[in-house]
Amino acid sequence: DTGVSQNPRHKITKRGQNVTFRCDPISEHNRLYWYRQTLGQGPEFLTYFQNEAQLEKSRLLSDRFSAERPKGSFSTLEIQRTEQGDSAMYLCASSRQVRETQYFGPGTRLLVL
Amino acid sequence: AQTVTQSQPEMSVQEAETVTLSCTYDTSESDYYLFWYKQPPSRQMILVIRQEAYKQQNATENRFSVNFQKAAKSFSLKISDSQLGDAAMYFCAYRSQETSGSRLTFGEGTQLTVNP
Repeated sequence: DTGVSQNPRHKITKRGQNVTFRCDPISEHNRLYWYRQTLGQGPEFLTYFQNEAQLEKSRLLSDRFSAERPKGSFSTLEIQRTEQGDSAMYLCASSRQVRETQYFGPGTRLLVL
Repeated sequence: AQTVTQSQPEMSVQEAETVTLSCTYDTSESDYYLFWYKQPPSRQMILVIRQEAYKQQNATENRFSVNFQKAAKSFSLKISDSQLGDAAMYFCAYRSQETSGSRLTFGEGTQLTVNP
């Protein structure tokens, strides 16, 4: 296993711009999760996929956020019209089955100016 | 909804000594998992240890062990023979086995410093 990878690792953007992050899970992991972590806090759940199906979304995921996993492999998280409050670390995790350990990627740190 | 509380924002320990990190949680469920994750500075989160709620025996992984008190809803992590590489933010996390989502609910974290 090469591990969960995320790109970019860092993103600086201006308020109002759109940004997109990518997550590549561990091969053959059919569950993929997105979390958001603000400074000094624990990660908070955003959404998860079983293969290509998005099965649950947190109320933290406002209408400006959209996530996809088109072929059940990599996933993208897009934030439209970014706000300063969106500044955070966005973490991706994957697991092989529902009851198995989630493995995390290194995260994408977003700074909205 | 489940909540996880870590009441120690910071802890420190001398190298080679033992330290215990505290975690309490609140749930009405009986089937769940508990986890400790470690997040070193600027590095990704890794699993340290996990505990199934239906198992009475406390989990151990080398120098890491837990004290799981189900009735008290307490789940502490003991690190023995602390090493400099143990310095990190430690998160306690809960995962339901009774709902289909399997999301992790994290505590606020405890920053552990290991002094040489």
